[in-house]
Amino acid sequence: GDSVTQMEGPVTLSEEAFLTINCTYTATGYPSLFWYVQYPGEGLQLLLKATKADDKGSNKGFEATYRKETTSFHLEKGSVQVSDSAVYFCALSKTGTASKLTFGTGTRLQVTL
Amino acid sequence: SQTIHQWPATLVQPVGSPLSLECTVEGTSNPNLYWYRQAAGRGLQLLFYSVGIGQISSEVPQNLSASRPQDRQFILSSKKLLLSDSGFYLCAWRPGGGNTIYFGEGSWLTVV
Repeated sequence: GDSVTQMEGPVTLSEEAFLTINCTYTATGYPSLFWYVQYPGEGLQLLLKATKADDKGSNKGFEATYRKETTSFHLEKGSVQVSDSAVYFCALSKTGTASKLTFGTGTRLQVTL
Repeated sequence: SQTIHQWPATLVQPVGSPLSLECTVEGTSNPNLYWYRQAAGRGLQLLFYSVGIGQISSEVPQNLSASRPQDRQFILSSKKLLLSDSGFYLCAWRPGGGNTIYFGEGSWLTVV
């Protein structure tokens, strides 16, 4: 079946450091790929998405490129802030009646001053 | 614009008691609806999804059930809660024909 693998956390960075959170997927066909963010005590918010190979999703300084050849969708940000501290989830879904999301296990990011 | 609401936000229930979590979506029609659970320190598990009124699909066998009595209403229930039902429950929706799923604020359930 479909699956998403994320790097283990927690990831601890100093403010203004460069961030990479790795995400790879296994799926048949051509899934859409997503990054969601969960701030402490809150629900999930869509951060960015990409629907086809070589698409780049971007939002709030975060970027991720859909790489079909490496089945990856790594999340990057050039300069993190303390307010970016959260749990980040990579996910995929495929076109269909239900279009269910398959999630990775999440990566906790802690940014310190 | 479309919005999703779920309640209650926090719930503490004794073992063996019933449960009802409610979710409504506004500003859209015929959405796909989902219930996910996030256990402490773990990822998200899809519990149920619905593509229409009265149509419920269960992803995993468990102590919970779901119902969709109206187009934009999705209810998660249990007749008798177990300790293992504790967790963070998230309702979500997807517009018909869209490929993005949007989440509600979540409900914290603690079974004691």
